[in-house]
Amino acid sequence: KAGVTQTPRYLIKTRGQQVTLSCSPISGHRSVSWYQQTPGQGLQFLFEYFSETQRNKGNFPGRFSGRQFSNSRSEMNVSTLELGDSALYLCASSLDATGWYEQYFGPGTRLTVT
Amino acid sequence: SQQGEEDPQALSIQEGENATMNCSYKTSINNLQWYRQNSGRGLVHLILIRSNEREKHSGRLRVTLDTSKKSSSLLITASRAADTASYFCATDAPDSGGGADGLTFGKGTHLIIQP
Repeated sequence: KAGVTQTPRYLIKTRGQQVTLSCSPISGHRSVSWYQQTPGQGLQFLFEYFSETQRNKGNFPGRFSGRQFSNSRSEMNVSTLELGDSALYLCASSLDATGWYEQYFGPGTRLTVT
Repeated sequence: SQQGEEDPQALSIQEGENATMNCSYKTSINNLQWYRQNSGRGLVHLILIRSNEREKHSGRLRVTLDTSKKSSSLLITASRAADTASYFCATDAPDSGGGADGLTFGKGTHLIIQP
């Protein structure tokens, strides 16, 4: 099976712009989670989608949003970018419908905001 | 919020030696997982231990869990240069799946294996 793929891999944006990141989960996985990783804050949970519904949400401002499509592919959007949004954004998919079990991570999208 | 805290933050050992890293967490859990990350890339799942388990093995990995102390340890035996990476523990919470925080990760232990 192909692994989790994320596009684009690298992105440079200007403060105030908006950005959309894409994640394709492993075939058959219906749960997709997003994480932000920075040197200062480490890995932080953004949100999780299951069957096109946001099931869990972390403590991030409303500028961060996401969605999931019927084929389980997911996108996350960050509006009005700030310098502090520069980070590695990781997507993970999981087979399990309930609970938090083995997560399969993509390679990440490295976002730089200038 | 940061649930798990790994210790030490960094560890450098010689190839062939054993590496031990620890994780402490704050609230009760259903399970605890360990992940490895190579140089700013995606995380790879290593092992999952459930709250009712005390020890688990997978190849050269041994994980222990002490729920009374809210701590876990990861032992890598006979280390290799390829084990150089950052290692993270991740915990869930009993009510995750219904609107809680999902998996929460510690800040990681950076392991360097000297050849």
